[in-house]
Amino acid sequence: DIVMTQSPDSLAVSLGERATINCKSSQSVLYSSNSKNYLAWYQQKPGQPPKLLIYWASTRESGVPDRFSGSGSGTDFTLTISSLQAEDVAVYYCQQYYTTPLTFGQGTKLQIK
Amino acid sequence: EVQLLESGGGLVQPGGSLRLSCAASGFTFSNSGMNWVRQAPGKGLEWVSSVSGSGTSTYYADSVKGRFTVSRDNSENTLYLQMNSLRAEDTAVYFCAKDARSGGSCYDNWGQGTLVTVSS
Repeated sequence: DIVMTQSPDSLAVSLGERATINCKSSQSVLYSSNSKNYLAWYQQKPGQPPKLLIYWASTRESGVPDRFSGSGSGTDFTLTISSLQAEDVAVYYCQQYYTTPLTFGQGTKLQIK
Repeated sequence: EVQLLESGGGLVQPGGSLRLSCAASGFTFSNSGMNWVRQAPGKGLEWVSSVSGSGTSTYYADSVKGRFTVSRDNSENTLYLQMNSLRAEDTAVYFCAKDARSGGSCYDNWGQGTLVTVSS
């Protein structure tokens, strides 16, 4: 199984500042035949289902604010929120969909400092 | 607008069974792979099972293989999860989720979830 490890487990950032969440996979999720990284990021607010933010590691889902961006390739990935807003308080998960079993990171709780 | 509505959760004794349903609307159901993901209270997300658009291909997490069965009725736009031999560790909110339009098995729409509690 591909193990997804996020860091940090929790993060406190001031409003308007940058927030960075890392995700590392135990093996590459880059599919060589199409050069795509099978890596997604989700945001989950309390009492709500997850919401897809980023897929193919760096493609923003429709309707997601452009302050959210994804980067990385192979085994190391980053979700960046360029200027933290109050509504961004949530738990963030990465997910690999390169192979079954599909696996998620343990989550990173983002709070306001 | 895509809508996914789960039902069928509840309290069940260890060893018991439940059948979850997910009613889908707002997209061409038969064209989309569908999935079940669960979240134990206060914990992270765990993929449970996936089924192809036609229903002919199914996939399971090792933790549920042999006990859970995923199926779909494309004429009724409904996804199912039959859960047998339930254990305390199956206690969770179960979400149904739709494969993303972009391709690949990430999930662009989720239901609100249904709570399954396994306890005596």
